[in-house]
Amino acid sequence: GESVGLHLPTLSVQEGDNSIINCAYSNSASDYFIWYKQESGKGPQFIIDIRSNMDKRQGQRVTVLLNKTVKHLSLQIAATQPGDSAVYFCAERARNNTGKLIFGQGTTLQVKP
Amino acid sequence: EAQVTQNPRYLITVTGKKLTVTCSQNMNHEYMSWYRQDPGLGLRQIYYSMNVEVTDKGDVPEGYKVSRKEKRNFPLILESPSPNQTSLYFCASSLANRVTSPLHFGNGTRLTVT
Repeated sequence: GESVGLHLPTLSVQEGDNSIINCAYSNSASDYFIWYKQESGKGPQFIIDIRSNMDKRQGQRVTVLLNKTVKHLSLQIAATQPGDSAVYFCAERARNNTGKLIFGQGTTLQVKP
Repeated sequence: EAQVTQNPRYLITVTGKKLTVTCSQNMNHEYMSWYRQDPGLGLRQIYYSMNVEVTDKGDVPEGYKVSRKEKRNFPLILESPSPNQTSLYFCASSLANRVTSPLHFGNGTRLTVT
């Protein structure tokens, strides 16, 4: 069935360190993946996306890695800052697209000063 | 500024009293959707619309209605709210017919039904 999961509910890192947030997905028909950041009191905010024909994509301080062999997605945040503290969700969209995104449960990133 | 706007942000109501949560987007997106977010259950899709006058059920449509008379607006209607509809609701939009178009979310409506 379809499911998207994150390995850890909470991740605590020191300010300035790199953060890695992981996500496992089960639908091999998914060909588009997105990472969202949700701060308290706000809606999910788009961070970065990747198509299944890629295995890596970089943005500003963020990198998404996709390993289709093991159905694994990760978000790397370089030089983590206090403003990065939030809940991070991965989401997938299947090839037979109705526009629907399937979301994981979320990982709470806590940045210690 | 490109955005999805939901109103109200907070709503407390009683069982059975009809309510409408409005959603509007200014990005000319064809696709719009409603999600609810609950602890331990994550984000679940209620309804979606691929374009004007086209709506379809998501994963948890029971107890909800939607309409899409105009491209920019996608209201969520609860005809007879019940306590199990207490939740945080998000409206979202994106370009349609493009797999690589991310959803853009509003800031949410926190609904409490007593």
